[in-house]
Amino acid sequence: GNSVTQMEGPVTLSEEAFLTINCTYTATGYPSLFWYVQYPGEGLQLLLKATKADDKGSNKGFEATYRKETTSFHLEKGSVQVSDSAVYFCALENTNTGNQFYFGTGTSLTVIP
Amino acid sequence: NAGVTQTPKFRILKIGQSMTLQCTQDMNHNYMYWYRQDPGMGLKLIYYSVGAGITDKGEVPNGYNVSRSTTEDFPLRLELAAPSQTSVYFCASSPPRTGGGRTFFGQGTRLTVV
Repeated sequence: GNSVTQMEGPVTLSEEAFLTINCTYTATGYPSLFWYVQYPGEGLQLLLKATKADDKGSNKGFEATYRKETTSFHLEKGSVQVSDSAVYFCALENTNTGNQFYFGTGTSLTVIP
Repeated sequence: NAGVTQTPKFRILKIGQSMTLQCTQDMNHNYMYWYRQDPGMGLKLIYYSVGAGITDKGEVPNGYNVSRSTTEDFPLRLELAAPSQTSVYFCASSPPRTGGGRTFFGQGTRLTVV
């Protein structure tokens, strides 16, 4: 089946610290992988994506590389800002099952000045 | 370009009451979805639809009903609200077989059943 396991939070970092949020997955076939971000009181926004092995998704200083050999898609950012405080969800989309998404449980990040 | 629009944004229901969560999209997407997000959890798929007149159950369909009479609209019906249905509900839409993250989410409906 399809599932996503995500590092539990909450995570609290000081501004300019390095961020890593771990994500591993199981899937049938060849899924696409995503990181979504949810700011307080808002819906989900796509942060970055990778559609095949070894692809690197990047946006707003965040990066994640699709590693088929380790079934991972870890999110990283070299220097976080207060405005990065949000909940981050790792997800996979499997076109074998009608474009259904499978989400991790989310990791809450708080960045303090 | 409105994208995916959900109404209402917030609602409080009493146990046993019914309500319909509305979802509409203006992108002519074939696929539409309803998810629920419980505190500290990821999203779970309730129902989805691959086109007008076609709906199918997701992971957690019990207690809900859907219909898809038009491409644009995909309402979610709660017939007998229960406290276990307290959650945030997200509607989403996508073209078929996107394989690349062209799924768009609405802002969510926060429902509390008391």
